[in-house]
Amino acid sequence: GAVVSQHPSWVICKSGTSVKIECRSLDFQATTMFWYRQFPKQSLMLMATSNEGSKATYEQGVEKDKFLINHASLTLSTLTVTSAHPEDSSFYICSAGRVNQPQHFGDGTRLSIL
Amino acid sequence: TQLLEQSPQFLSIQEGENLTVYCNSSSVFSSLQWYRQEPGEGPVLLVTVVTGGEVKKLKRLTFQFGDARKDSSLHITAAQPGDTGLYLCAGGSWGKLQFGAGTQVVVTP
Repeated sequence: GAVVSQHPSWVICKSGTSVKIECRSLDFQATTMFWYRQFPKQSLMLMATSNEGSKATYEQGVEKDKFLINHASLTLSTLTVTSAHPEDSSFYICSAGRVNQPQHFGDGTRLSIL
Repeated sequence: TQLLEQSPQFLSIQEGENLTVYCNSSSVFSSLQWYRQEPGEGPVLLVTVVTGGEVKKLKRLTFQFGDARKDSSLHITAAQPGDTGLYLCAGGSWGKLQFGAGTQVVVTP
């Protein structure tokens, strides 16, 4: 099946640091990549939708200046959490897909801000 | 926003027992998907149900989509420890998936 890779899988950093998370589709070209956030014992919440070569579409309540998304190619999207604070600590998951095809999820990135 | 409610939130059973997880909504969905997620990993798609009344089987897992396409269930027969995980239902238009809160299933030997 399709493989989506996320890197890093776990990151711990100090408050105020910016953190970049990469999402790659390894064996197919994804027209769209999605970024989700999952807090402990909660479900996945869609943060933003990213299309190659265009600006990301953010869900209501998600700060676009804080969560910068770049989608430079059909196989790579990055999420940068700028000036991260402890409340940004969460499990960030990306998925990749083609229109009307199932999304394939990465293994997530555990972000811990001290 | 179409809300999906899952029940129960938590289920702990012995190996060999059967279990059923429910996913309900007041909205009609064109399709529903079921995922299993293990700690520290992303969700893995198990099945997509599309037609009202549809029943799909995946080994010991049986998925049903309600006639009105507002609800779905997942039934596991003779559960095994390897079935332990967070089961999530999701629905909505492509690119706007809404996830239920999930059912944590624990199967003990």
